[in-house]
Amino acid sequence: DAGITQSPRHKVTETGTPVTLRCHQTENHRYMYWYRQDPGHGLRLIHYSYGVKDTDKGEVSDGYSVSRSKTEDFLLTLESATSSQTSVYFCAISESARPYEQYFGPGTRLTVT
Amino acid sequence: SQQGEEDPQALSIQEGENATMNCSYKTSINNLQWYRQNSGRGLVHLILIRSNEREKHSGRLRVTLDTSKKSSSLLITASRAADTASYFCATDAGVDSNYKLTFGKGTLLTVNP
Repeated sequence: DAGITQSPRHKVTETGTPVTLRCHQTENHRYMYWYRQDPGHGLRLIHYSYGVKDTDKGEVSDGYSVSRSKTEDFLLTLESATSSQTSVYFCAISESARPYEQYFGPGTRLTVT
Repeated sequence: SQQGEEDPQALSIQEGENATMNCSYKTSINNLQWYRQNSGRGLVHLILIRSNEREKHSGRLRVTLDTSKKSSSLLITASRAADTASYFCATDAGVDSNYKLTFGKGTLLTVNP
């Protein structure tokens, strides 16, 4: 998985609790992305980062925040988890914004009860 | 909103047969990429075709792009059971999209031994 790890790999949490997912890369790639994957919706972009402390919103950013204080780490926080945020979350990295391919982590399965 | 839409949603073939998947998109693109996802894993980049290219090959993969019809096809020749996976197209609309990829919902390919 191209030097990308995600933690935790599985998490069950209760509605209303904050949750932080971590993506760690060893490739020194500039761009990092958080996606969620849901049946019938495919892969949707939540937030992305184009450098340390530089982030922007994606298609489905409501209820999520991100931080990137180091090149290698990109954190996704669910400020107050809801059942609609039950999903599989993937981190991806890219050497450049265009036209290069993205490399994906193994995913985090999050269940909000 | 989804930019690319794959067709069919599911495809079941016998080992040794060819598999063809199609992707249609709505706006002008800079490039189009195909990814594979094995069950429970992250996406893996297969091939990238630029907007000024019409056909590209990589091993048993053949990708075509018709920008006038806003469509692409992925052909896997002499399929193997190990090709069983979901296949996604992803479009890069270039500067208009801040170079973010937009993924389709995928085609689930099952190759029966």
